[in-house]
Formats: sequence, C-alpha cells, structure tokens
Amino acid sequence: KQEVTQIPAALSVPEGENLVLNCSFTDSAIYNLQWFRQDPGKGLTSLLLIQSSQREQTSGRLNASLDKSSGRSTLYIAASQPGDSATYLCAVSDTNAGKSTFGDGTTLTVKP
Amino acid sequence: DGGITQSPKYLFRKEGQNVTLSCEQNLNHDAMYWYRQDPGQGLRLIYYSQIVNDFQKGDIAEGYSVSREKKESFPLTVTSAQKNPTAFYLCASSLGRDQPQHFGDGTRLSIL
Repeated sequence: KQEVTQIPAALSVPEGENLVLNCSFTDSAIYNLQWFRQDPGKGLTSLLLIQSSQREQTSGRLNASLDKSSGRSTLYIAASQPGDSATYLCAVSDTNAGKSTFGDGTTLTVKP
Repeated sequence: DGGITQSPKYLFRKEGQNVTLSCEQNLNHDAMYWYRQDPGQGLRLIYYSQIVNDFQKGDIAEGYSVSREKKESFPLTVTSAQKNPTAFYLCASSLGRDQPQHFGDGTRLSIL
C-alpha cells in the first residue's frame, strides 16, 4: 500500500527566504505526482503536476522535482512572501485507475 | 467561469440519518473523485469515477455511496452506517489520469 510522508509538518520562515518542502513515497511505481496548496477551510489548488517520466516542473517561483527511484519529491519556493502562507500537500497517483494517495501536508508560515 | 461547485457548504446530520452532498462540474471532465479530510491530515479517497455510469471504491468507502448518472454530477451519500462522519468532504475532477485534479471548496459535515 502506498504511503506518502511530508516533512516537516510545519515550517516558519522570514519573508524573502528560499525554502524546500519534502515529500517521500514508498512505492516507486507511480503515474504522476502533484503538489497542491490549501488555504484554511478551502479546497485544494493545483500547483504543479509531474509525470513519472519527468524530472521537474516549474511555474513562476515554484519548482518541483521528482526522483522516482528514491521515492522523493521536493517543492522549492523562491523568495517567499506572506501570501505563500498555506498548507502544501503532495499526492501520488498510482499506475492503475488514477487513485491518488495524499501526504498530511506541510503548513508554511511566512513572516513579514 | 468553469469550475466545481459543492453544496451545501455546511451540513448537519442527525443520528440514523442519511445525507447527500452535491458535486457539480462544468469543466467537461471525465473523472471525478470524493475525498475525506480530517483535521491536520491529508485527504483519503472515498470513491472515484472515470466515466459515466461507472465508479470504484477508494480506501475508505464503507458507509458511503455514490452515483454517476451524468458526466457533470457525482453526488455522495453519507449513510447511517458511517459511524464517524464528521469531516471536511472534498470533490475533485480531472480531464484524465495525466491531468491535474481540480477541487471544489468542500462541504463540512457535523453531527447534531
């Protein structure tokens, strides 16, 4: 059974700092990996989707990498801003019918 | 604007009562999903549907039921058999397995 772990559970940084969020998974037979942002009491917003054949994806200040063989993904946020404060979740999709397994998330606080 | 609409935003259930959560999308997506989120945790998959008139159980389907009679609609019924229904319920859709999942704003279910 796939298990997804996100470390740390919470992170607090000063504005302007670059930071890395980690996601690890136990079964490397994945179809894709997706990073999401969740604001309190809201649904999830998709940030980046990496297919299993890809190594990384970039969108603005965000860069996500994928190392399937080691079961790891990282989300790099450059020049953090207070508006980046949210919970970030990663999800891996299996190779069959598209079932996704989510991590518990990392709650990021960016202080002005 | 295209999107996913979940209703109601808040729902209260009495003991022994079945309740139905609505999820409607106008994105013309084939796949739809239902997740449950408990405080401080990630999402767990309840049911998913890849095409109309077909759906599969996720990891925690016991006490829940769904239907997929129309492409744009995927209602979730929380039955009286679900003994711990208090949670945040999220509906998502995607164009296909290799496409990002898009989420609604969720329904918060509580027990009276």
